[in-house]
Amino acid sequence: DTAVSQTPKYLVTQMGNDKSIKCEQNLGHDTMYWYKQDSKKFLKIMFSYNNKELIINETVPNRFSPKSPDKAHLNLHINSLELGDSAVYFCASSPSGGGFNQPQHFGDGTRLSIL
Amino acid sequence: SQQGEEDPQALSIQEGENATMNCSYKTSINNLQWYRQNSGRGLVHLILIRSNEREKHSGRLRVTLDTSKKSSSLLITASRAADTASYFCAGAGGTSYGKLTFGQGTILTVHP
Repeated sequence: DTAVSQTPKYLVTQMGNDKSIKCEQNLGHDTMYWYKQDSKKFLKIMFSYNNKELIINETVPNRFSPKSPDKAHLNLHINSLELGDSAVYFCASSPSGGGFNQPQHFGDGTRLSIL
Repeated sequence: SQQGEEDPQALSIQEGENATMNCSYKTSINNLQWYRQNSGRGLVHLILIRSNEREKHSGRLRVTLDTSKKSSSLLITASRAADTASYFCAGAGGTSYGKLTFGQGTILTVHP
């Protein structure tokens, strides 16, 4: 009964490769997010979608492209991976009522390691 | 820019003691949320306090908010070894829909 699930859990790949991370939520939420957590545990928002529409797009290299085929899924594709992309990437979701500032539910993360 | 900054960065206590973590933030907020992260897991929402509230309780958790000082505190009473985790505060801005801005967290270790 995983509420927010991400695949894969671990991703080890070479610099320059292209990779995707998938996220699905079964909570019926309208809003989904991608966060990046660095080695110092600092968590930073990357993107947010509400009902398949992009609403938050932080200063992220355009090598990162989110895609939301429906409101239950938000995938992250990364082109031309660089060493600095090594981090843990978290997907999250929340309901959109109350001005969107609702508690968020997180997946367990995808640990991306670039060799 | 980083919204919340937690203090202390690390806290080590014995089971049964209380743990207090502080958070400061920079810009105006709609609400402030506290999350827990166990090692290798995602964040779990603990408690939300709105900008017009000063104190909130949930079980062994007590959160305070001082908007004049732009600060919040999380108190865990009668701590247990299972409380060992990283704790993050996150400010939810009123103008940035859904955007939570996290601090770097406090690592809490509770020794049995």
